[in-house]
Amino acid sequence: AQKVTQAQTEISVVEKEDVTLDCVYETRDTTYYLFWYKQPPSGELVFLIRRNSFDEQNEISGRYSWNFQKSTSSFNFTITASQVVDSAVYFCALSEAGNYGGSQGNLIFGKGTKLSVKP
Amino acid sequence: NAGVTQTPKFRILKIGQSMTLQCTQDMNHNYMYWYRQDPGMGLKLIYYSVGAGITDKGEVPNGYNVSRSTTEDFPLRLELAAPSQTSVYFCASRRPNTEAFFGQGTRLTVV
Repeated sequence: AQKVTQAQTEISVVEKEDVTLDCVYETRDTTYYLFWYKQPPSGELVFLIRRNSFDEQNEISGRYSWNFQKSTSSFNFTITASQVVDSAVYFCALSEAGNYGGSQGNLIFGKGTKLSVKP
Repeated sequence: NAGVTQTPKFRILKIGQSMTLQCTQDMNHNYMYWYRQDPGMGLKLIYYSVGAGITDKGEVPNGYNVSRSTTEDFPLRLELAAPSQTSVYFCASRRPNTEAFFGQGTRLTVV
């Protein structure tokens, strides 16, 4: 079955610190997709990145970087030099490409990590 | 291009009342989803649909019903509202294997 675990419930850092948000997933499929979303205090859900299971290259986008490791079933997210505007809840999500037990199309989320960046 | 539109944005229901949360998308996406988010919690999947006429239960379907008669619309029906259904509801849509686009959410309070 699909499962996404974000073990860190809340993280608090001081501005300019680096912070890594962990995401561990479980899947039976060989082809799957992983996502990160941001939910700022205003409540909307903002898409950050998508990664497919065949692409293990790390990605960097400005202060954001993502480390995908199939060997450990992890897709971690690092914010470098954090800023107050990064304060939000961050969600990791998983979607399988196949149809195991009728799961085709299912998109499940982890419980989220609340990041607080203090000035 | 409006994306995913949810109505209403806010609603207060009395215990035992029923209501329908509307969700429409104009991106011609096959897949649509309903999630609920309780305070300080993650997103729990209620129902989803991979196309018109096809719906499947998610993690927390009890107390809800859905239908998908068109590609654009995916309404969520609450029958006999209970305080446990107080939550923020999000509708989303996507193409297969791509990211989901979310509506702005509906904040529902059952009193």
